[in-house]
Amino acid sequence: DGGITQSPKYLFRKEGQNVTLSCEQNLNHDAMYWYRQDPGQGLRLIYYSQIVNDFQKGDIAEGYSVSREKKESFPLTVTSAQKNPTAFYLCASSIGQGLWFHGELFFGEGSRLTVL
Amino acid sequence: DQQVKQNSPSLSVQEGRISILNCDYTNSMFDYFLWYKKYPAEGPTFLISISSIKDKNEDGRFTVFLNKSAKHLSLHIVPSQPGDSAVYFCAARPNSGNTPLVFGKGTRLSVIA
Repeated sequence: DGGITQSPKYLFRKEGQNVTLSCEQNLNHDAMYWYRQDPGQGLRLIYYSQIVNDFQKGDIAEGYSVSREKKESFPLTVTSAQKNPTAFYLCASSIGQGLWFHGELFFGEGSRLTVL
Repeated sequence: DQQVKQNSPSLSVQEGRISILNCDYTNSMFDYFLWYKKYPAEGPTFLISISSIKDKNEDGRFTVFLNKSAKHLSLHIVPSQPGDSAVYFCAARPNSGNTPLVFGKGTRLSVIA
């Protein structure tokens, strides 16, 4: 089945440790995104990538890093510089941008990170 | 500054009645509007969208209305069912074509049996 797989679903880390969240898609989508969800805050964009080896900062990129070495993979690293890392993280993909793209994103199941 | 606003954090509706979720936007440079539905601990799923050149789009129990002059859209669910209980996000696509969707903060709908 085609879709987006995020792992792990739940993750606990000690304060000061870096952690990497995995996101893999087999939809052959060009664009991939990372969002963070906090209660009452909606979905906030961390980073996005429209093509392999290229990515742009979103609204809340500080304390995060990404890479896009392969079309199907877009891992997110939550660094120790992120002041409030405990959150629900969502990865998404889309066919890309352009006139034929109406905005529909396909989301993974999410990863809940808890920093102790 | 929020470009897409969902001013009601929550809404409760009785089963079988109509649910109306509202969304306002401030930027006239959006060309598509979308609604997503999200259950706890899951990713959002696409529900319905509307082009800025239309004023209504219907899909089964779900209808989205767009009022461009008021910069307002609404999602109507008729009849509401307990399975509709979820958080609903309004989103807008900038017409630049290369900028990601802008999301509202969401409205939690509770359908009471």
